[in-house]
Amino acid sequence: SQTIHQWPATLVQPVGSPLSLECTVEGTSNPNLYWYRQAAGRGLQLLFYSVGIGQISSEVPQNLSASRPQDRQFILSSKKLLLSDSGFYLCAWRGQAYYNEQFFGPGTRLTVL
Amino acid sequence: AQSVTQLGSHVSVSEGALVLLRCNYSSSVPPYLFWYVQYPNQGLQLLLKYTSAATLVKGINGFEAEFKKSETSFHLTKPSAHMSDAAEYFCAVTLSGNTPLVFGKGTRLSVIA
Repeated sequence: SQTIHQWPATLVQPVGSPLSLECTVEGTSNPNLYWYRQAAGRGLQLLFYSVGIGQISSEVPQNLSASRPQDRQFILSSKKLLLSDSGFYLCAWRGQAYYNEQFFGPGTRLTVL
Repeated sequence: AQSVTQLGSHVSVSEGALVLLRCNYSSSVPPYLFWYVQYPNQGLQLLLKYTSAATLVKGINGFEAEFKKSETSFHLTKPSAHMSDAAEYFCAVTLSGNTPLVFGKGTRLSVIA
């Protein structure tokens, strides 16, 4: 069966510090991968998605970036965090068939102080 | 373009009462539709999905949804609410195999004892 991991589960970082969140998927190959953010009381905001290694589509221009160094690894990064980067970050994967659902990871709670 | 609209950002019901969460979609092609549930500080979990096999779809935790093409709706129902149903619920529609699901803004369900 497929599983998706995210770490860390929680993170408290000062403004201006770097960020690296990691997501890995097991039990499937060539998944589509996604990064979402949820600010407090807000819905899902799609940040990045990837249909293959090295292929990244950015949905929201900001100080975040994403990379996909391996087929089942997706990394969200920032060189300098802003207060507005605080939120709940979710990684998800999806098979490439039209009818497939997305599977979400457990999330990372990021607080920028 | 595909989109979903969830009517009511917050719904409150009494324990044992009917749960009805509304979702309307817009799609230029036959849609595939999904309902997800999110408990606090967790990722999204698939409740059910419609993939054209049957218009009444049964999901986990006693939830079901009915696809009504004439009304472009996919409302989520449960006959009797439990306290454990208190969560955020998201409706989503697929655009294609490689693009992310399109999510509604979510409906927060509160269950009153």
